[in-house]
Amino acid sequence: DIQMTQSPSSLSAFLGDRVTITCRASRDISNYLNWYQQQPGKAPKLLIYGASSLQSGVPSRFSGSGSGTDFTLTIRSLQPEDFATYYCQQTFGTPRTFGQGTKVDIK
Amino acid sequence: QVQLVQSGAEVKQPGASVKVSCKASGYSFNNYEINWVRQAPGQGLEWVGWMKTNSNNQGSAQKFQGRVAMTRDTSTNTVYMELSSLRSEDTAVYYCARGWVVVDALDIWGQGTMVTVSS
Repeated sequence: DIQMTQSPSSLSAFLGDRVTITCRASRDISNYLNWYQQQPGKAPKLLIYGASSLQSGVPSRFSGSGSGTDFTLTIRSLQPEDFATYYCQQTFGTPRTFGQGTKVDIK
Repeated sequence: QVQLVQSGAEVKQPGASVKVSCKASGYSFNNYEINWVRQAPGQGLEWVGWMKTNSNNQGSAQKFQGRVAMTRDTSTNTVYMELSSLRSEDTAVYYCARGWVVVDALDIWGQGTMVTVSS
């Protein structure tokens, strides 16, 4: 199985901060990497697909980059609704594994 | 609108089976896959399996093989996931999610079904 490791596991930030979350795959997954946001008690929501493509309706302050084994999700200016848990997922191989999640909360 | 609506919460005893439904509406059912993802209380997301809605092709994570079966009813645009030989570690919220095949991502999610395994 392809292991996905996110860092950090949690972070605290101020409104307006720039936040970066990283995701590392245990082997080359090209750009088969998606990012999801999950608010407490809700289903996940797709933010980024194919490592860097913004899903329709997602604010442009979210961006993704990377290929191969190292990927990054960046939130340019943190807004109140961005406090949530973020997950990466690889779809290069089966099982389509998720990272363990990164919880973003208010400082 | 495009949506997936799942069946209600279940409480099962260890060793029993549970069958969760996921009804699709607002889009062409046969053009997308359905994936299943679960989340144990306070934990992260775990991919369970997928199936193509235009055939019986399906696959699952190795840890669930032999215990999970996915079926579909094209007359009602509904996919079912049945998990057997339940144990306490299967207690989780189970989500169905639409697999957007072109980009290989889960773009629409159901509301989740809580399955509790307890004696």
